[in-house]
Amino acid sequence: GAGVSQTPSNKVTEKGKYVELRCDPISGHTALYWYRQSLGQGPEFLIYFQGTGAADDSGLPNDRFFAVRPEGSVSTLKIQRTERGDSAVYLCASSLQTSGTDTQYFGPGTRLTVL
Amino acid sequence: AQSVTQLDSHVSVSEGTPVLLRCNYSSSYSPSLFWYVQHPNKGLQLLLKYTSAATLVKGINGFEAEFKKSETSFHLTKPSAHMSDAAEYFCVVSGGSNTGNQFYFGTGTSLTVIP
Repeated sequence: GAGVSQTPSNKVTEKGKYVELRCDPISGHTALYWYRQSLGQGPEFLIYFQGTGAADDSGLPNDRFFAVRPEGSVSTLKIQRTERGDSAVYLCASSLQTSGTDTQYFGPGTRLTVL
Repeated sequence: AQSVTQLDSHVSVSEGTPVLLRCNYSSSYSPSLFWYVQHPNKGLQLLLKYTSAATLVKGINGFEAEFKKSETSFHLTKPSAHMSDAAEYFCVVSGGSNTGNQFYFGTGTSLTVIP
């Protein structure tokens, strides 16, 4: 079956611009997570959704970052007024539920470069 | 709070020799632990997971890991390395259902396999 997909695979933008990153989770997965992976580091949690609601957004670095999941499936991560420090790979993952034992399935990521 | 420490940032082995990638965890309750592998320009792939069943967990591609509560360790091993094992490996602890199962990643271990 289809895995988690993310678009675009690469995004180059200029400082100050607005970007949207899209995630299509595995069909039927109610939980969706966003992580950010900087060069040479492990992924760091940003936000997770249970259904349509953002259940925990404690990892978002500041109010320039926002994410939505209006129909409980596709999610969009939105970054306003991008800064060079936002350059990273943004990963999306989904799981069947939010049980502590559930496996998260990751997409290939979107590499964001802010010039 | 949950966290993992990967004790080696780089490991180099010869093809056909054993692999040992070390991970120590910290958790305020019984954790779920995972190992993921990330090949260059590929998404994170689950190798194996521990969820309080058997302490010796077998995964894909001949990898296995042993959960040792007394040592708070979850080291990854493989008896004989293949060239295709060269990749970045991440040890992960789950935050548990109280935190929506967000994952806490280690900083990664880069495995090099020498022919």
